[in-house]
Amino acid sequence: DQQVKQNSPSLSVQEGRISILNCDYTNSMFDYFLWYKKYPAEGPTFLISISSIKDKNEDGRFTVFLNKSAKHLSLHIVPSQPGDSAVYFCAASDTGNQFYFGTGTSLTVIP
Amino acid sequence: KAGVTQTPRYLIKTRGQQVTLSCSPISGHRSVSWYQQTPGQGLQFLFEYFSETQRNKGNFPGRFSGRQFSNSRSEMNVSTLELGDSALYLCASSLGWGEQFFGPGTRLTVL
Repeated sequence: DQQVKQNSPSLSVQEGRISILNCDYTNSMFDYFLWYKKYPAEGPTFLISISSIKDKNEDGRFTVFLNKSAKHLSLHIVPSQPGDSAVYFCAASDTGNQFYFGTGTSLTVIP
Repeated sequence: KAGVTQTPRYLIKTRGQQVTLSCSPISGHRSVSWYQQTPGQGLQFLFEYFSETQRNKGNFPGRFSGRQFSNSRSEMNVSTLELGDSALYLCASSLGWGEQFFGPGTRLTVL
């Protein structure tokens, strides 16, 4: 049973525009969330995190929003750049040491 | 600071054989987690070790096992390999809570 879902397998965005990647979870006990970016033949790279005491966290071009009542989080990338083209994974945890990952969204930024 | 390293990077085995994968965490990190990534399945959690003890375990058969040494290095073993075990195996290290940092993975092919 997939506790973390990324329902969009792929997304294409024009360079300079906003990319919005979505993630839904089913376990209301999850209170810590991570986003990772993964290039082919490499391990995932940590991007940004958010805990349930916040509803927004920013780091440069990356912002994560958390809607606890909807059990939904999203990653915004503004402006999108061709180098952002990768697979993005969200992950959630209720313990902080065991994470459940989504199936990923492949982002393509078109120059 | 050196990142997470995994050896070997690529492995080809035949059904019925066993395999051992190795992971060296970031210096100072005491937690090592293992994941299996297959197409369309995202990252499936195998187990997590903290200070030489298995702290969390995912839903994988007993053919999958691991251990952690006093220097925090970890090994994962898969016995009696099956075709379905072909995957990218990723390890990630952390201080024990929070963001996990991934290695490049070991690509296992079972023929």
